[in-house]
Amino acid sequence: SQQGEEDPQALSIQEGENATMNCSYKTSINNLQWYRQNSGRGLVHLILIRSNEREKHSGRLRVTLDTSKKSSSLLITASRAADTASYFCATDADDYKLSFGAGTTVTVRA
Amino acid sequence: GAVVSQHPSRVICKSGTSVKIECRSLDFQATTMFWYRQFPKQSLMLMATSNEGSKATYEQGVEKDKFLINHASLTLSTLTVTSAHPEDSSFYICSASGGLGYNEQFFGPGTRLTVL
Repeated sequence: SQQGEEDPQALSIQEGENATMNCSYKTSINNLQWYRQNSGRGLVHLILIRSNEREKHSGRLRVTLDTSKKSSSLLITASRAADTASYFCATDADDYKLSFGAGTTVTVRA
Repeated sequence: GAVVSQHPSRVICKSGTSVKIECRSLDFQATTMFWYRQFPKQSLMLMATSNEGSKATYEQGVEKDKFLINHASLTLSTLTVTSAHPEDSSFYICSASGGLGYNEQFFGPGTRLTVL
């Protein structure tokens, strides 16, 4: 089942700018993950943040998690044309199934 | 990182035929595989979870007789869409998990099914 909602649905930015997208979820989680999907392709795992973590970095990516608000954000700094893709958050609870958000489509203009 | 392949990447079939999609974990043993369906510009919806050697667990609303899943080995799971109809046209994605302490799933590249 789908429990995440993401906003914005779509985002268009200039190369070099930062992109921020948010994910909200409804139930308690073990972990929250972010994935990237290029058009018509599979998913690429970007980063996992555990429920007891508040912030995590990986290269140009910064993820925050606020379990009290049941929300997470993904920040992509210094965006590049290659960052153009759809980004999904996914949460998992005790049954280890992933529940995906609706996704944010990011377009980076050269 | 772990690699998961899917075959075929694209398939076009006539209404009423059955289509088999393979999902393979190439460099690790996948104790659990997951099958998702994705409609254009939408999110992934989990269809079923399969564990090697046992019957798949289907999500609510997914017809088990329509979408047959076989997880015969630790590296291969298959999804067969039986008697396909145009409404079955979709992007099907599998993922595989090696049963680590946290749920990191490695995703295949997806299969685009078009039923005419």
